[in-house]
Amino acid sequence: AQSVTQLGSHVSVSEGALVLLRCNYSSSVPPYLFWYVQYPNQGLQLLLKYTTGATLVKGINGFEAEFKKSETSFHLTKPSAHMSDAAEYFCAVSLGDSSYKLIFGSGTRLLVRP
Amino acid sequence: GAGVSQSPSNKVTEKGKDVELRCDPISGHTALYWYRQRLGQGLEFLIYFQGNSAPDKSGLPSDRFSAERTGESVSTLTIQRTQQEDSAVYLCASSARTGKEQFFGPGTRLTVL
Repeated sequence: AQSVTQLGSHVSVSEGALVLLRCNYSSSVPPYLFWYVQYPNQGLQLLLKYTTGATLVKGINGFEAEFKKSETSFHLTKPSAHMSDAAEYFCAVSLGDSSYKLIFGSGTRLLVRP
Repeated sequence: GAGVSQSPSNKVTEKGKDVELRCDPISGHTALYWYRQRLGQGLEFLIYFQGNSAPDKSGLPSDRFSAERTGESVSTLTIQRTQQEDSAVYLCASSARTGKEQFFGPGTRLTVL
C-alpha cells in the first residue's frame, strides 16, 4: 500500500530564509510524486511533479523538489521565502500514469515571518 | 478558461438531513474525482468517474454516501442522513483523462450541527 508522511504540521521561517518541507513516501512500485499548495479558501494548485527522468524537479513560484529513491523522499525547497508563500502544502503519490488515485500526506502549514 | 467550480461553497445542515454537493468540471475533462478533507488532515479519496461510470467507489465512507455524473459533465455527491463526522471540506477535481494532472475546485465546506 502507498502512504505519504509529511514531517511537521507547521513550519515557520523568516522572510528570505530557506524553505524546506519534508515528504517521505512508501510505494511498492515506482511512484509519481506531487506537491500541491492550498491558499486559504481556495482549491489545491499543483506546484510540481516527478514522473520519470531527472530527479530534480522545478516548479512554479521558485519551488523545487528532489526525488531520492534511496531515501524514499521528495522534499520541497525554496531558497528564499516570500510572505506570499504562506499556505498549506501537500505532498501526494500515485501509482503512475494510469493511476487515478492520489494519496495525500496530512499537509504542512508554512508560516512566513516578516 | 473556467476552472473546476463547486457549489455551494458553504453548507450548514442539521444532523439527519440529506445534502447534495455539486461539481462542474473543466469542459472536456473526462475524469472526475471527489476527495474529502477533514480539519487538519490531508485529502481522502472518495470516488472516481471516467465519463459517467465510476470504476472505483472504494473510498466512499458508508452507504450514506453516493455520487453520480451526467455524461462527462456535472457530478453530484449526495450524503444521506448526515452525521457530525461528515463535517469536512469536500473537494472535486477533474483531469483531461485518467492519470493526467488533476485540477481542483475550491471545495464545499460542510458543517453538520
